[in-house]
Order: sequence, then C-alpha cells, then structure tokens
Amino acid sequence: QSVLTQPPSVSGAPGQGVTISCTGSSSNIGAGYDVHWYQQLPGTAPKLLIYGYTNRPSGVPDRFSGSKSGTSASLAISGLQPEDEADYYCQSYDSSLSEVFGTGTKVTVL
Amino acid sequence: EVQLVESGGGLVQPGGSLRLSCAASGFTFSLYAMNWVRQAPGKGLEWVSMISASGGSTYDADSVKGRFTISRDNSKNTLYLQMNSLRAEDTAVYYCAKDREYQYGSGHDHWGQGTLLTVSS
Repeated sequence: QSVLTQPPSVSGAPGQGVTISCTGSSSNIGAGYDVHWYQQLPGTAPKLLIYGYTNRPSGVPDRFSGSKSGTSASLAISGLQPEDEADYYCQSYDSSLSEVFGTGTKVTVL
Repeated sequence: EVQLVESGGGLVQPGGSLRLSCAASGFTFSLYAMNWVRQAPGKGLEWVSMISASGGSTYDADSVKGRFTISRDNSKNTLYLQMNSLRAEDTAVYYCAKDREYQYGSGHDHWGQGTLLTVSS
C-alpha cells in the first residue's frame, strides 16, 4: 500500500512558524480523497488536529492551519508554543480502499 | 463523552493468536465505521483494518490480510481484532479509532489509549 511522505523533522523557536508537507500520489491525495492531520504528544494517542484539509475540530487553536496543493497537503503552525512539541501525521485514503498515513514529522520547539 | 477502551494486549509467541477488544461508549456505536491502527515501538502510525457501521464490509492492510479479522458486536458496543499467525513485526501498540462522520474518508475523531502487543519467544 502507498504511503504519504513527510519531512522527518522541523524545528522553530517559540513564536515562530513552521510548515509540514505531506506528499502523496495520484492514487490517494490526487484521487480526491481528503487529508487529515493528527498530533501525537509523547506517550499518548493521536489526536485529530485538522480534517478535510483545512477544518479544525472544536478546541484546536487557530495557530494550526491546513492547505492543499495538487497531490500534496501542508500543515502550518504559527506562533509556536512549547506544548506544540510532538509528532504530526497526515492521513488520507487510497483508491484500493485502504488508508494511508504519512511517515510522520517531529516538531521541536527550540 | 466519547470513550474507547482497548484491552487484550500482551505477550504472545510467534505463530500464536490473540484477540483485542475495544469497548465504546458516549456515542451511537452502530452508526460509525471503526478502525484499528497500530504503532510499532519508535515508529509511525500504520492503519490495520476498518469495519463498516453495520459490520457488513471490512478492509485490511496488505500486511495483515489473511491473518487478522476485524469484527464488531453492535449490541455490546464493542470492536474486536482477531489476530492469528502472529509475527515479531506485529509488535505494536494497537489503537481503536472511530470515524468522524458516516461517510468514508472523514478521518478519525476519537482514539483509545492503546493496548500493547508483544510477539516474542
């Protein structure tokens, strides 16, 4: 099954912004399936951060935003906070009726 | 409040079997598709299986096809994962995850705390 490619790590100082890319293919993102983003704090279960490319569930700060471009998606975090230090995963679906996760990105707040 | 509580993990020898359970509460379980997602130690997330709301359709990752079976009992609000012919590479924390909406592809808005499966002799 296919996989979505993310950078292994990104970092930024408190207050700065970072962007995480999620690159797919014509069988997943390019096939029109939505992309969702999850935040996983150390030792905890993943939490839905963004759904349908750009939508935030209730309670997610508006510092988090998502976008789409062709067969890729991006997650932007503005005004980095220490509590944003976590692993982030994108997720979509494949035309073979399977689900695919991104390779994961560790965000470090310097 | 939505709650998903997994159980059944443990230490199993290669070739062995185990059944995981996920007890759901706080929502109408029979209306939502459910999933199992796993995470090997120090690794990323890997989708394992999905089952439709009624239980009539199931989908599996290639890595577990023919060995794992997802099922549900809507009368007991419980999701299951029967795992056979276990391998060392199945060692992971297994999470159950609820679909956000009724339609396919909506993402997972609630996750359990996970249960650890270790496959080792």
